[in-house]
Amino acid sequence: KAGVTQTPRYLIKTRGQQVTLSCSPISGHRSVSWYQQTPGQGLQFLFEYFSETQRNKGNFPGRFSGRQFSNSRSEMNVSTLELGDSALYLCASSPGQENTEAFFGQGTRLTVV
Amino acid sequence: AQTVTQSQPEMSVQEAETVTLSCTYDTSESDYYLFWYKQPPSRQMILVIRQEAYKQQNATENRFSVNFQKAAKSFSLKISDSQLGDAAMYFCAYTRWADGLTFGKGTHLIIQP
Repeated sequence: KAGVTQTPRYLIKTRGQQVTLSCSPISGHRSVSWYQQTPGQGLQFLFEYFSETQRNKGNFPGRFSGRQFSNSRSEMNVSTLELGDSALYLCASSPGQENTEAFFGQGTRLTVV
Repeated sequence: AQTVTQSQPEMSVQEAETVTLSCTYDTSESDYYLFWYKQPPSRQMILVIRQEAYKQQNATENRFSVNFQKAAKSFSLKISDSQLGDAAMYFCAYTRWADGLTFGKGTHLIIQP
């Protein structure tokens, strides 16, 4: 069974631009969560989707948004990029409604210049 | 809000020895899940072990075991017979049902050959 796939793996963007990251969960998994990892703040929860509905959201500005499609694939979007958005963005999928066994992708490394 | 604290930024152990990583957490809930994740240099987050709070028995996965003290809100990870491949960042994490994972700051584990 294929794992969680995130694309692209690396991305360089300019301040003010927007970016879209993609996550394909493990086949059969319906929950997808997103996390931001930075050296200063560590791992922080962005949001979680289940059956195309956002169920939870972390403490991030509205520039961070996401969605989930009917096939459970998810995208997250960051608009008006800031230098501080440079981070590793990790996606995790879980089999059911409860986020009690999360499997992570390899992440997308975003650099904002 | 829940918090997870890992008080050891870095630990070093000789190959084949045993090492214990500490984690404490703060929550007012009685039902929740705790995890230890491993993040090697590849950045892939790998689930090492999971503990359900309502289970008194400590979880074990091969060389990895936990000491779960619910009243003390403590969740330590013991790695027996340490191997070079165990070298990584280790993160303790907490969640309730559909919430996102709350992570500690991590412990960098060094294995000395």
